Amino acid sequence: GAVVSQHPSWVICKSGTSVKIECRSLDFQATTMFWYRQFPKQSLMLMATSNEGSKATYEQGVEKDKFLINHASLTLSTLTVTSAHPEDSSFYICSATSFRDYSYNEQFFGPGTRLTVL
Amino acid sequence: QQQVKQSPQSLIVQKGGISIINCAYENTAFDYFPWYQQFPGKGPALLIAIRPDVSEKKEGRFTISFNKSAKQFSLHIMDSQPGDSATYFCAASISAGKSTFGDGTTLTVKP
Repeated sequence: GAVVSQHPSWVICKSGTSVKIECRSLDFQATTMFWYRQFPKQSLMLMATSNEGSKATYEQGVEKDKFLINHASLTLSTLTVTSAHPEDSSFYICSATSFRDYSYNEQFFGPGTRLTVL
Repeated sequence: QQQVKQSPQSLIVQKGGISIINCAYENTAFDYFPWYQQFPGKGPALLIAIRPDVSEKKEGRFTISFNKSAKQFSLHIMDSQPGDSATYFCAASISAGKSTFGDGTTLTVKP
């Protein structure tokens, strides 16, 4: 199956700093990538959808200026949490899908990134 | 408005037993219904998925039953094993769009 990686797997930062999380599709070209956040014992909450070369579409209530998403290529999307605060501490997960290579709805998830803001 | 309702929230099953998790949806435009398995500290992994043109799909010990008229679908895990202990999420999506996830079911399989 398709493989999606995330880097870093965990990060600890000080309040007020920015953190960048990378999501890569390793063996396929992702036409669309999704970013989720997940709090302990809760479901995945979609933050935004990004298509290569275009601006991300954010879900209602997600601050686009705080969570910057860049989908620069068909294999890489980045999420930057700007001016992070303790309430941004969460598990961030990306997923990728490809119209061309796979069943059109199939999403492949990354392993997640644990962000802790002190 | 929650579009996909999942139950139960938690489930305890004996080894060798059958685990059953149910989901109900509201939007009749959904056309793809996957189930994901997630272990602590890991991303979800696709377990099995179904489209509304079939009523059942089986892959190994995992079966999805789909009832289009009732707008319900369920996951059956046969011969449940301790290694199946995880959180399971159902989801639904329209074509290539974003998925709506259920709240998750924590499954514990006792040896």
